[in-house]
Formats: sequence, structure tokens, C-alpha cells
Amino acid sequence: GQSLEQPSEVTAVEGAIVQINCTYQTSGFYGLSWYQQHDGGAPTFLSYNALDGLEETGRFSSFLSRSDSYGYLLLQELQMKDSASYFCAVKTDSNYQLIWGAGTKLIIKP
Amino acid sequence: NAGVTQTPKFRVLKTGQSMTLLCAQDMNHEYMYWYRQDPGMGLRLIHYSVGEGTTAKGEVPDGYNVSRLKKQNFLLGLESAAPSQTSVYFCASSKGIEAFFGQGTRLTVV
Repeated sequence: GQSLEQPSEVTAVEGAIVQINCTYQTSGFYGLSWYQQHDGGAPTFLSYNALDGLEETGRFSSFLSRSDSYGYLLLQELQMKDSASYFCAVKTDSNYQLIWGAGTKLIIKP
Repeated sequence: NAGVTQTPKFRVLKTGQSMTLLCAQDMNHEYMYWYRQDPGMGLRLIHYSVGEGTTAKGEVPDGYNVSRLKKQNFLLGLESAAPSQTSVYFCASSKGIEAFFGQGTRLTVV
């Protein structure tokens, strides 16, 4: 079967750096996406990696290693508003189907 | 620019009742999706469409039907609701990498 594994919960301190890991096992792989979802809200797109390496967008960075079937989302200078759930998702075919991880709840303490 | 709009936002159904969830997007996207999200789980794809007049099954299609008669609209139907279909339903649209989500429909089947 197809699966994505990510930690269920991560706790960090405001102003710190946190890394959320994602390992995947899928029948096809076109790229790895990351989405943020606040409680009661809709997922919003953060980043996408199709090739190995690090992509940086402001305080957020995302990394992919296709040989290891692994990626991570790095959040720097954490702010209280970053408290949310973060989902990794793999694009498995050309029709933009996504297989989703169960999500990581990020708890930020003052 | 409204993006993706779902109606209704909340609904309570009795077992065996039917209903249709409406999704409209104004971004001229080809791809549209219906997901369900259950507590502690990622999003699971119910059905999707790669263009007007086309639909396809996702991971969990049983008990649901869809139609895409117009490019901007994607309808999700429940023919005979069951308590197992209690969930939050998200519609999304995409033209490529990034998916845009509606605000969700919280459905309870009693």
C-alpha cells in the first residue's frame, strides 16, 4: 500500500527552529508538497519539492531526498501563529493526485 | 476573487437521507477534487475530475457520486447517508502543483 509517515505532534518554543519529517512509500512519485492547516480551517499550500535539495520560502524551508524517500519542513523564528497542523503530501501521478500524511500538530510555547 | 466556495458549511443528516455538496471555483482550474478529513487523519481522496465532463474514483469512493457538468462546479452526492460518512469534506481545485481548498463542509450523519 501507499503511506506517508510523519510525527503526530511536535512541541517547540517561540523564536526557535523546528523540523517536521516525512517519509513516504508510494507507487509513484512526482513531488512532495507541504500544507498548513489551522484548527477549523482549510489546508493552505506552503511548498513543493520535485528535485532533491532545499527550497526556501521566507521562514519556511522544505527539503527532499528522493533516494531516501524522505523530506522535511523547517520552520525558523517560530511565531505563535505558526501553531497549526502540517501535512506532507506526495503527488503520485500526472493527474495531480495527492496521497496525504496524517499530519503533525505543531504546538508552540511562549 | 472568491477562490473555492463550498456549500453548505454545516449539515446534519439522518441515516438514509441523501444530499449534494456544492463546490464552485472561479480560477478556471482544470482539476477538482473532493476529500474527506477525519480526526487524526490526513485527507483522503473521494473522487476527482481532470476536466469538464470527466470524473474518476479516488481512494474512498464508495457511497459517493460526483458530477462535473461545468468546469467551475464539482458536485458531491451522498445517495444514502451512513454514520460512517460523518466527516469534514473539502473541495479543492488546481491547475498544477498548488491546490486551493474551500473552507469545508462539516457533515454529521445521525
